[in-house]
Amino acid sequence: AQSVTQLDSQVPVFEEAPVELRCNYSSSVSVYLFWYVQYPNQGLQLLLKYLSGSTLVKGINGFEAEFNKSQTSFHLRKPSVHISDTAEYFCAVSERGSYIPTFGRGTSLIVHP
Amino acid sequence: DGGITQSPKYLFRKEGQNVTLSCEQNLNHDAMYWYRQDPGQGLRLIYYSQIVNDFQKGDIAEGYSVSREKKESFPLTVTSAQKNPTAFYLCASSTPGLAGGDTQYFGPGTRLTVL
Repeated sequence: AQSVTQLDSQVPVFEEAPVELRCNYSSSVSVYLFWYVQYPNQGLQLLLKYLSGSTLVKGINGFEAEFNKSQTSFHLRKPSVHISDTAEYFCAVSERGSYIPTFGRGTSLIVHP
Repeated sequence: DGGITQSPKYLFRKEGQNVTLSCEQNLNHDAMYWYRQDPGQGLRLIYYSQIVNDFQKGDIAEGYSVSREKKESFPLTVTSAQKNPTAFYLCASSTPGLAGGDTQYFGPGTRLTVL
């Protein structure tokens, strides 16, 4: 069975600083990896996903993530955050052959002016 | 615009009453899902459906029921058997490929409060 661990429940950062949100997963088979963002009282929307190929994946709003198979990680990064990036971020994994993802518990990114 | 709608956005019910949450999509997606979100617990899968007239239990199906009579609709009923129904409920849809890796598209959610 797959599982996802988001190592930080909350990440405070100042505007224009870089940020990294950490995600580790466990699975016995090959996986697909996702990052979703949720703004307050809204549904989730896809930021980016890794299916295959290049391990560095670029997404919307200037975010990127790197798949590291040996460390079973898929950390999300942004070089310079804005106030508008304040939101909840969810990492998700699904095993190849299954379309049901498992979500992490989420990381709350709080950007201070 | 294509998307997923959930109604109502806020719902209040008395303890012991059944309540049905609506989810409609016009994305022509085959699969639909219901998740429950509680603070600090991420998203937990309640039910999912790959095709009309078929659905499967997720991780926390007890106290919930669903139907899938039309491709575009997947209503969720929270029954009186659900011990702690107050939560934020999210509906999603996708078009599953053969190998998976599909993006899920989410509705705006319904916040249910049981008094």
